[in-house]
Amino acid sequence: GDSVTQMEGPVTLSEEAFLTINCTYTATGYPSLFWYVQYPGEGLQLLLKATKADDKGSNKGFEATYRKETTSFHLEKGSVQVSDSAVYFCALSDKRGGSYIPTFGRGTSLIVHP
Amino acid sequence: ETGVTQTPRHLVMGMTNKKSLKCEQHLGHNAMYWYKQSAKKPLELMFVYNFKEQTENNSVPSRFSPECPNSSHLFLHLHTLQPEDSALYLCASSHTGSANTEAFFGQGTRLTVV
Repeated sequence: GDSVTQMEGPVTLSEEAFLTINCTYTATGYPSLFWYVQYPGEGLQLLLKATKADDKGSNKGFEATYRKETTSFHLEKGSVQVSDSAVYFCALSDKRGGSYIPTFGRGTSLIVHP
Repeated sequence: ETGVTQTPRHLVMGMTNKKSLKCEQHLGHNAMYWYKQSAKKPLELMFVYNFKEQTENNSVPSRFSPECPNSSHLFLHLHTLQPEDSALYLCASSHTGSANTEAFFGQGTRLTVV
């Protein structure tokens, strides 16, 4: 089945630093791509998504562009805040037996220091 | 509030106990999922239910027994667990008919087996 690979963490940054979390995917077609965020003590929630090549998803200052040529969907933010400390999951919809099942990467922990 | 509710939020149980986790969604989704999240490990998909039929069981030990009486409710029955089963158990739901729709997660049940 389709899968995603994301960089291992933790990623440790100072406040206002630039953030990149790498994600690449393996798929037979062109799946929709997602980034989810998990704040401490909570479940995952959608951060942004892109449904076709060259689409850019954005939310809360985070951005990711669907790059078909490099099979990538890297997450970026220009200036991180302490409140961005969380675990970030890259994901895609994997088609199995006619149904689209969400498939997640292993997650990357982000720690932002004041 | 994501639309997916899990109870209880925290559970401590002995190895000989029997307990159940409950998940409920009223988002009109046809699929529901159980995930296990352990420290320093990737998110593990345990079970998938689609229109209340089990469609995936990812080699989960029989001491975990899922039940899906309808598309809105999902249970995970636990018996004779081991300390290594201590983890955050997350429930999610989604529409599986479209690649573009995201999964919605509950806040999880933090399980400790003593």
